[in-house]
Amino acid sequence: EAQVTQNPRYLITVTGKKLTVTCSQNMNHEYMSWYRQDPGLGLRQIYYSMNVEVTDKGDVPEGYKVSRKEKRNFPLILESPSPNQTSLYFCASSFSRTGTRNTEAFFGQGTRLTVV
Amino acid sequence: GENVEQHPSTLSVQEGDSAVIKCTYSDSASNYFPWYKQELGKRPQLIIDIRSNVGEKKDQRIAVTLNKTAKHFSLHITETQPEDSAVYFCANDMRFGAGTRLTVKP
Repeated sequence: EAQVTQNPRYLITVTGKKLTVTCSQNMNHEYMSWYRQDPGLGLRQIYYSMNVEVTDKGDVPEGYKVSRKEKRNFPLILESPSPNQTSLYFCASSFSRTGTRNTEAFFGQGTRLTVV
Repeated sequence: GENVEQHPSTLSVQEGDSAVIKCTYSDSASNYFPWYKQELGKRPQLIIDIRSNVGEKKDQRIAVTLNKTAKHFSLHITETQPEDSAVYFCANDMRFGAGTRLTVKP
């Protein structure tokens, strides 16, 4: 079954304690992206990756890191989480972002993060 | 980055009425225009999309229209039902609008 898998689904952590949210897709997609969803602000892009070892900042990258060592995985790292990073996070993937191979985005189940 | 603006932010209609949500984009090279539906507590999922070589696409009660000259595309839902209540997002080059919360009152 084609899918994007995120873990964990829920996470409560304390300020400053490093954490990683994992994202994996089994569709051989080149493009992967992280978003945070806050009430009234929609889906804001944090980081994206056009392919292996190629990553770039989105609209709200501060406080986050990513890596793309393999095509299927795109983890989101919060080195020192702060309460303003409390949010609902989604990972998404697609074949490509632009051009003729631009197709729909498939989303993970979401990770609800609370930083206290 | 390129901007994607979506209006309205909230929309309330009576069951059976039509709903229209509009999205404007800035990248004139864009060629793919999707709409996603996010039900409460769930992930966004594609409901309809259109490519730049057509002006309209319809799938039962939903349709998408594209105006490349004006750089906007719209989602049309006819004969709305309570199960259409959700948040709808347009997207352009994997960047999303702020969303429209649609409420269909029985």
